[in-house]
Amino acid sequence: GNSVTQMEGPVTLSEEAFLTINCTYTATGYPSLFWYVQYPGEGLQLLLKATKADDKGSNKGFEATYRKETTSFHLEKGSVQVSDSAVYFCALLTGNQFYFGTGTSLTVIP
Amino acid sequence: NAGVTQTPKFRVLKTGQSMTLLCAQDMNHEYMYWYRQDPGMGLRLIHYSVGEGTTAKGEVPDGYNVSRLKKQNFLLGLESAAPSQTSVYFCASSTLTDTQYFGPGTRLTVL
Repeated sequence: GNSVTQMEGPVTLSEEAFLTINCTYTATGYPSLFWYVQYPGEGLQLLLKATKADDKGSNKGFEATYRKETTSFHLEKGSVQVSDSAVYFCALLTGNQFYFGTGTSLTVIP
Repeated sequence: NAGVTQTPKFRVLKTGQSMTLLCAQDMNHEYMYWYRQDPGMGLRLIHYSVGEGTTAKGEVPDGYNVSRLKKQNFLLGLESAAPSQTSVYFCASSTLTDTQYFGPGTRLTVL
């Protein structure tokens, strides 16, 4: 079946630290991959996406590369800020359904 | 352009009561979804719709019903609420091969 596995949190980092949140997937066919972010009390917002193998999605300093050979879509940011504190969800789209990971909570401390 | 809106934002029910959650989108999207979000479990798909007049079951459909009478609206009903349905409910809409856009959520407590 289709599923997404992402690293469990919570993750706590100091400001300007390097961030990696791991995401791997299982899917039939050729899914599109997404990272969503959820700030406290809000709905999910698209952070970035990639629609085919080797594509790199990027936004607001975050990046993720669609790796078909390792079925991964790890999220990275070189220097996190306090304002990046949120919950991050990895997701895949195949057919007409999205599948979400369980979310990784990130807290950035000054 | 309001995007995806949900009403109500908060609701408290007693066990056995019924209610309807309304989702509306103004982006002319064909696809609409209802999810529930519970701690440690991420988002789980309840029901979805691929167009006006169509609905389909997701991962956790039991205890819920939906209707899509108009393209822009997707209603989620609880006929007899149970404490296990205490959750945050999110609606989303999309085109087939593109991003899902989420509403702000409805926080439901069933006592």
